[in-house]
Formats: sequence, C-alpha cells, structure tokens
Amino acid sequence: DGGITQSPKYLFRKEGQNVTLSCEQNLNHDAMYWYRQDPGQGLRLIYYSQIVNDFQKGDIAEGYSVSREKKESFPLTVTSAQKNPTAFYLCASSTSLAGGQETQYFGPGTRLLVL
Amino acid sequence: AQTVTQSQPEMSVQEAETVTLSCTYDTSESNYYLFWYKQPPSRQMILVIRQEAYKQQNATENRFSVNFQKAAKSFSLKISDSQLGDTAMYFCAFMNNNDMRFGAGTRLTVKP
Repeated sequence: DGGITQSPKYLFRKEGQNVTLSCEQNLNHDAMYWYRQDPGQGLRLIYYSQIVNDFQKGDIAEGYSVSREKKESFPLTVTSAQKNPTAFYLCASSTSLAGGQETQYFGPGTRLLVL
Repeated sequence: AQTVTQSQPEMSVQEAETVTLSCTYDTSESNYYLFWYKQPPSRQMILVIRQEAYKQQNATENRFSVNFQKAAKSFSLKISDSQLGDTAMYFCAFMNNNDMRFGAGTRLTVKP
C-alpha cells in the first residue's frame, strides 16, 4: 500500500549531537520536501529535492542537511549547528514538477526533542 | 513573497452545523493553486480540497467546499454537517511554481 513513511516517530537529541530523520516514499514521486512545524505557526520549508542527486535550500535551511541518493528516500540531518531543533518535522512528496503545481502529500511526521 | 493569513486562530461549531474558515493571501502571480489541509490530533497532514486559480468554479469535496474570490484574494473553507471527526487544525496553503506557503492555522473544535 503506497504512502510516505517517516521514522522514528519520536527522536531525542543531546547537545552537540547530529541526528537523522528518515523519509521514504513508494509513490514513485519525483519531488520530496522537508518542513518544520512549530506551535502556533504554519509549516516552513527546510529543503526540497526535484530529482535524485539534486536538492535546494528552503527558507530555514541553516543547521540542516539532506541527501537524495535514491528516488524513494530523502533523509534530513539536524546538525549541532541548529540551536533550536525542538519541533515537529514533516516530509512530503509530489509528482513531477512539470507545470510546478503538484499537490504535496505528507508523511506522519517526526517529533524531535532536545535533552 | 507570497503570504497566507488565517485570521481565526480558533473556532468552534456544534455537531451537524455549518462553519466557515477564512483565508486570505497576497500574491502578484496569476497562476497558482490553493489548498486546505487538515491536521487532526495524530498530526498527519491530510489534503481536504484543492483549487486551481484559473478555474472560476469553486471546488467541492463531499461536505467541504470553498468560496474562491480571486480578485479579493480570498479562499474560505465551508464545512457542512460538521462531524466530531472534523475536529482538527486546518491550514490554508498557496502554491506557485512548487513554492508552497502555509497560513498559521485555525483550530476547529466540533462540539457534541
């Protein structure tokens, strides 16, 4: 059954530690996205990827890194440079970017907490 | 830059009644898409409805419909026959050239 999976559901980070959030999709979508959600705010774009081996920074990319080695996978690493990482992270995907107006479908999210 | 404003942080409605959630946006683009997403307590973002800006006809999906006023840059969501399962955060979103912008959300509570 097709969809987007994110793991883990909850993740704890210690000071100075890098952590990686997983996002996998079996929808055969070309584009994938990472968003951050803070309380009382809408989603903000961290990174997006239109094709394998290519990705672009969003509005709040500082302190984060991504890779896109496979079409199905778009992991997000929260580095120690991200000073306020506590948030809910959502991964999304969409079909080909031709026309630039494709609906994005979301995974269930990962809650990141700092110890 | 495009911005999306949801002026109602919280709303409530009695079960079986109708409620309208407001959304306005600011853009200089003429070709874009608008969305309403629902985020229940599980926090999964679920697409409710989508509207293409070039279409004059308002989109509908069962009990959900929109009132799209392009000149006024307004995109409200009407939920008819509200159900307890409609309790959620609702986000309005604007998309142009794969750049999607979200509003801050409206928390809707459906009361029995």
